[in-house]
Amino acid sequence: EDQVTQSPEALRLQEGESSSLNCSYTVSGLRGLFWYRQDPGKGPEFLFTLYSAGEEKEKERLKATLTKKESFLHITAPKPEDSATYLCAAQKTSYDKVIFGPGTSLSVIP
Amino acid sequence: NAGVMQNPRHLVRRRGQEARLRCSPMKGHSHVYWYRQLPEEGLKFMVYLQKENIIDESGMPKERFSAEFPKEGPSILRIQQVVRGDSAAYFCASSSPNPGQGGPDTQYFGPGTRLTVL
Repeated sequence: EDQVTQSPEALRLQEGESSSLNCSYTVSGLRGLFWYRQDPGKGPEFLFTLYSAGEEKEKERLKATLTKKESFLHITAPKPEDSATYLCAAQKTSYDKVIFGPGTSLSVIP
Repeated sequence: NAGVMQNPRHLVRRRGQEARLRCSPMKGHSHVYWYRQLPEEGLKFMVYLQKENIIDESGMPKERFSAEFPKEGPSILRIQQVVRGDSAAYFCASSSPNPGQGGPDTQYFGPGTRLTVL
């Protein structure tokens, strides 16, 4: 069964304390792996799309990487404004639904 | 370039009434998705539509729920005879199979409609 899991469920960091969020997927023939950020009461905000193992993308303090079974979202020197829920999602083909993971709730403490 | 629009943002209905949620995709996007999110839970896929076609409705309850994406106008998610368990945030997303800023098939989300059933 196609599945996306994320760990940890929640993460609390001190400002400036770098860490990584994990996304594991069991989707045969992955077409795309997506990362989103969701703030309370808002819709998910697109961050990255990764298409093949070994691919990396960066945006400010965030870097996403992809292997054949996992993706990582690395957060370097986080700030309180990085606090949000980070969602990972996987898609098999262009006409398949996207499967979302449960998310990691990140809190960055000043 | 306007993003995905959803309205209303908040909707209150009494049990037994109908709820209609609207979604206008991003310009140039022909694929629309609906998701439901309960408090402290993840996004649950409901339905995937293209213009005048339902591609995948495997996540949508068989009764009371329906969705459409007509040739002209927004996509509509319709919930008939609402019950308290329908209270949730409903998100719409749109995508294009063509390359774009985030790559093909990247879904962009609207702000959601928060449905409360009294």
